Amino acid sequence: NAGVTQTPKFRILKIGQSMTLQCTQDMNHNYMYWYRQDPGMGLKLIYYSVGAGITDKGEVPNGYNVSRSTTEDFPLRLELAAPSQTSVYFCASSSPANTGELFFGEGSRLTVL
Amino acid sequence: GENVEQHPSTLSVQEGDSAVIKCTYSDSASNYFPWYKQELGKRPQLIIDIRSNVGEKKDQRIAVTLNKTAKHFSLHITETQPEDSAVYFCAASIPGNQFYFGTGTSLTVIP
Repeated sequence: NAGVTQTPKFRILKIGQSMTLQCTQDMNHNYMYWYRQDPGMGLKLIYYSVGAGITDKGEVPNGYNVSRSTTEDFPLRLELAAPSQTSVYFCASSSPANTGELFFGEGSRLTVL
Repeated sequence: GENVEQHPSTLSVQEGDSAVIKCTYSDSASNYFPWYKQELGKRPQLIIDIRSNVGEKKDQRIAVTLNKTAKHFSLHITETQPEDSAVYFCAASIPGNQFYFGTGTSLTVIP
């Protein structure tokens, strides 16, 4: 199993540009999440999904959109990038049928200039 | 929503000493409390967890305690080693598998 795979690992955007962070998991997990990590601020939940076709807002959803058309994929879309979106983004998945443990991707470092 | 507070934000200990990190949570419905270790530039990785029906759990040099009445839980690392140096995050999970994280503790173990 590859686990949770995120792409790209690094990206620099100009203000106003858009992009999509890709996330794929091969563990057949129902739950998937997007977090952002700012220095000294821990991990903040952006969006999550409990299964294909279902998504919900987390703590900091403004400026982002998600979709969940399959169990495996959970892309995060940034529209009109702003400097405040400079952060490290982590995708994660979990299955309540198992331990409930969160499995994280390697992270995507995004800089908006 | 759930609010998780974590203290201290930084912690330095001598090698061989113990380290304790404390977290509090606000939502009494939270029922799962994992601890993650994050090394510089890496992804967070689970080191230990505890469920709400258990008061204490131990795994070699690492232990976690939970006080549901007071809504706080703690991570204890004994006989610290330089490789324990990292950022540690506590988290609380409410039913529905939503995870809320503390702000992290940067632990430095001085050889």
